[in-house]
Amino acid sequence: GQQLNQSPQSMFIQEGEDVSMNCTSSSIFNTWLWYKQDPGEGPVLLIALYKAGELTSNGRLTAQFGITRKDSFLNISASIPSDVGIYFCAGPHFQGAQKLVFGQGTRLTINP
Amino acid sequence: GAVVSQHPSRVICKSGTSVKIECRSLDFQATTMFWYRQFPKQSLMLMATSNEGSKATYEQGVEKDKFLINHASLTLSTLTVTSAHPEDSSFYICSAPRAGSGYGYTFGSGTRLTVV
Repeated sequence: GQQLNQSPQSMFIQEGEDVSMNCTSSSIFNTWLWYKQDPGEGPVLLIALYKAGELTSNGRLTAQFGITRKDSFLNISASIPSDVGIYFCAGPHFQGAQKLVFGQGTRLTINP
Repeated sequence: GAVVSQHPSRVICKSGTSVKIECRSLDFQATTMFWYRQFPKQSLMLMATSNEGSKATYEQGVEKDKFLINHASLTLSTLTVTSAHPEDSSFYICSAPRAGSGYGYTFGSGTRLTVV
């Protein structure tokens, strides 16, 4: 079936460090989305990627749509305490109908 | 920007009772609303898709008679968990696409349901 595999599952870093996480799939995606979920809240869209090879930034966040269309990565530079949360990659479900499929998430913890 | 207001944020109910969760699109018309369930430390799992004025479509394994969805207007979709049991305790989140926003869906803030 259609699956998005995120790694790492969790990260423990020091404030100020850079962060890198990725998402891979066995099937091709035409859109990659990165969301952040704070504890007890719904996810918030960080970056949307619509073209293979696309590199997009949003402040300290940078995401890339892999050339093979089977992967994407998200980088966070100079992490700060408010970056703590769970980061999810997502893409359109193969069934269409505007559905999304989500990765398992990367839980980021920052030590001050 | 587009806002989806979800209520309640937390609810505790007794086994056997029903709980209704509401999601309202505040500044746009949501013809479609997705309902997700998220267990602790797990990802979002799509439960069902509601469409204004028509029956909801449920994902495989989701009991439609247990999770009643109503999308009576372009700004309101509700999920009712009927005859709730402790295993229904979870975080429920709604999400709505906005016309012209691609896949940049807006999510509600979620409802933490605890069944005791």
